[in-house]
Formats: sequence, C-alpha cells, structure tokens
Amino acid sequence: DTGVSQNPRHKITKRGQNVTFRCDPISEHNRLYWYRQTLGQGPEFLTYFQNEAQLEKSRLLSDRFSAERPKGSFSTLEIQRTEQGDSAMYLCASSPGTNEKLFFGSGTQLSVL
Amino acid sequence: GDSVTQMEGPVTLSEEAFLTINCTYTATGYPSLFWYVQYPGEGLQLLLKATKADDKGSNKGFEATYRKETTSFHLEKGSVQVSDSAVYFCALLMDSSYKLIFGSGTRLLVRP
Repeated sequence: DTGVSQNPRHKITKRGQNVTFRCDPISEHNRLYWYRQTLGQGPEFLTYFQNEAQLEKSRLLSDRFSAERPKGSFSTLEIQRTEQGDSAMYLCASSPGTNEKLFFGSGTQLSVL
Repeated sequence: GDSVTQMEGPVTLSEEAFLTINCTYTATGYPSLFWYVQYPGEGLQLLLKATKADDKGSNKGFEATYRKETTSFHLEKGSVQVSDSAVYFCALLMDSSYKLIFGSGTRLLVRP
C-alpha cells in the first residue's frame, strides 16, 4: 500500500493555459474523489468516480473542468483556460467501498499567474 | 445547506495540556460525523468517526461524542504531545451521499 499519489506536487501556469493533474489511487480502491482546498478553508467536493463511472459532479466544477478515470484506475483532472480563481490545492482521495474513510493524497498546488 | 463550523485557530498549547476543538454542524437529517487530521506535508487522514447520536468516536487518545441536542462533535484529548501538531478538520456525511462536507480546519500547535 503506497498511498494515493498525485502529480505534479506544484504547478505554476499563466492565465488562459490548460493544465492536467494526475491521481493514482490505492490499488483496488474502486472509489475516487477530487476535492479543492483554498487557503484557510476545508476541502470542497468536486467529483466522484465509482470505477470508471463519474457519478456526481459539484456545481463548483464549471465546464472548464473535466475529470476522467479510464479503466477505473488512475484519474486525471483537466482545467481549460485557467483563471486566477482556480488557484488552489487539488486533492485526490480514494476508498475501498465506503464514503466514510477516505485516503487522501498530498495534493497538487496550482498557482495561476 | 448542510455545513460544519469549527473554532478558529491556531490553538497553541503546552505539552500535556488538555485539548478541546469545537465543532458544530447544520444538517437537514442525521449525518455521520468525522474528524480528519492533516500532519505537515501529508494528506488528510481519518482520525475518528461517529455514525449516530450519543456515539463516541476515539483513536490515539482523541475522543469526540456525537451530540444531537447541541448539534456538536467537539474533539478532546486529555494530554497533547508535540507530535499532535497538525490541522484538524471536522466533517459530516449525509446518508446516501458521496461527499464529505468539511469545516475550515483548526491548526493545533503543541510546544514542548
């Protein structure tokens, strides 16, 4: 059990550019979640996958955001035409079949200049 | 909507002091309640949970009791250690929901 892995750890980009983050969950965890955390706030739910199916998307996830989980393994979160308000820590979590005990990665810190 | 409110930090204590971090919630039904902890440089991890009223969750010397009458889930520890320094998040999960709703977190700093 190597834990949830997220890459990159840090991403600096210019406004208007596209960025993509990757999450590798704990193997055999069928549930995968993306959250966003801004400074001084708790994580906010973005989206949820059960295996490869995206079952819920938050209203926070505008049409510039897209997430995939091909084959129910790793997941990617893409933000198109980034805005300064997208600057945040993007957290990935996985769980083996419960929504209660989530295992979080260390996150990807996005800074949009 | 459903929400969680935590006391603001940072909370600074000396080693072996008693800890209380307050958490209250607003929910339309009867949620499960959690405390997650984030140690420096690490991901959030579940510390303890309680799934119904009057349940007490406990782990690593920390305790919290689900109080329906006061809609609270305060975190307590009798004697904190330097290694307890971290950010603590209270959270709720509604029945048949996928998403945890977190409070804003409380930073704890324990001095030797």
